[in-house]
Amino acid sequence: QQQVKQSPQSLIVQKGGISIINCAYENTAFDYFPWYQQFPGKGPALLIAIRPDVSEKKEGRFTISFNKSAKQFSLHIMDSQPGDSATYFCAASNSGGGSNYKLTFGKGTLLTVNP
Amino acid sequence: ETGVTQSPTHLIKTRGQQVTLRCSSQSGHNTVSWYQQALGQGPQFIFQYYREEENGRGNFPPRFSGLQFPNYSSELNVNALELDDSALYLCASSSSGRATGELFFGEGSRLTVL
Repeated sequence: QQQVKQSPQSLIVQKGGISIINCAYENTAFDYFPWYQQFPGKGPALLIAIRPDVSEKKEGRFTISFNKSAKQFSLHIMDSQPGDSATYFCAASNSGGGSNYKLTFGKGTLLTVNP
Repeated sequence: ETGVTQSPTHLIKTRGQQVTLRCSSQSGHNTVSWYQQALGQGPQFIFQYYREEENGRGNFPPRFSGLQFPNYSSELNVNALELDDSALYLCASSSSGRATGELFFGEGSRLTVL
């Protein structure tokens, strides 16, 4: 059972454009929604994260939009740059307190930003 | 601040063999999680260790086992290797004292099973 569905699988954007990646989740107990960026040969690195008490979070060119009723969240990358070319993963977890942050990841989106 | 380090970076094994992967957690972190990332897929949670005890396990068979040491470093052991075990194995550390739940990943150990 895939608990976090991510789309699109791949995305090509021109420099300066907006990249949008969408995710949907099933488990209503999820209360932490991070996005990770992974470059080839590297481990995933946290980009930005949101909790369900807010509908939007912005950090620089990166924005998460969160729709609790629809169980969906998305990543928007404004003014996309060639250096943003990477694989992006959405994830979700039920923190449940303490240290048990088991992340359930989407399948990833390969973003290519053309110069 | 030292990041998460994993060893070895690459290794090749044959079916039926056993493998041990190692992870040193980021300074100040007391929790270690292991993930399996198959080619073209997202990471899948294997298990987590906190205070040297397994603290949560994903849908992986018992031949996947682990250890956490007093210095918070960790090992992942896989017995009776199968072809489908070929993947990138990622270690991630975190601090139970942080409310953010941020995981810091290492660069992974790429295992090829022939």
